[in-house]
Amino acid sequence: DTEVTQTPKHLVMGMTNKKSLKCEQHMGHRAMYWYKQKAKKPPELMFVYSYEKLSINESVPSRFSPECPNSSLLNLHLHALQPEDSALYLCASSQQGAGGYTFGSGTRLTVV
Amino acid sequence: EDQVTQSPEALRLQEGESSSLNCSYTVSGLRGLFWYRQDPGKGPEFLFTLYSAGEEKEKERLKATLTKKESFLHITAPKPEDSATYLCAVQSLLEYGNKLVFGAGTILRVKS
Repeated sequence: DTEVTQTPKHLVMGMTNKKSLKCEQHMGHRAMYWYKQKAKKPPELMFVYSYEKLSINESVPSRFSPECPNSSLLNLHLHALQPEDSALYLCASSQQGAGGYTFGSGTRLTVV
Repeated sequence: EDQVTQSPEALRLQEGESSSLNCSYTVSGLRGLFWYRQDPGKGPEFLFTLYSAGEEKEKERLKATLTKKESFLHITAPKPEDSATYLCAVQSLLEYGNKLVFGAGTILRVKS
């Protein structure tokens, strides 16, 4: 299995809702990432998990809360988002320390 | 601060008209330079990784090269299905993990 699977593919949520994005990989990668991509912009790093521990938080607002329950799963919990948080959220994984990143197809999030 | 600059921002080619995309970078402790292809609304698709100056890699109509300051993605006799956004990224090793920093991308349109 050489894929990163993200669910859901599309999500519309209100500013008072709580929702979660899910990401799963079975390649044995020990580093997992959340990226945010606005339209016509490159992906921007949000969080890095290394061996299931949060190693990098790129000053992301607390309304985004990451979680890594085990080496194959990565979640992003969303609460009280703003319309400007609407974007494509990408999950990726890689071998620790080296090698290419494998990206999922993303979750298109719309905050209304 | 790590920085990646891609040029041109957009490129229109006729089918069969070869050209090159440029990626210049500044990074402390380069761990690798990556090329990705991204179709609208999808996650980036891995193309190549280059690790040292002088290295070259090929895949079908694409060839990537690397110097100490820049990388080129050469497209030979492109077809309409090569139309996509091509992203260049550098990987830098941090104290608590590694990080992939993307350039803004080149939007390629190939007309038949």
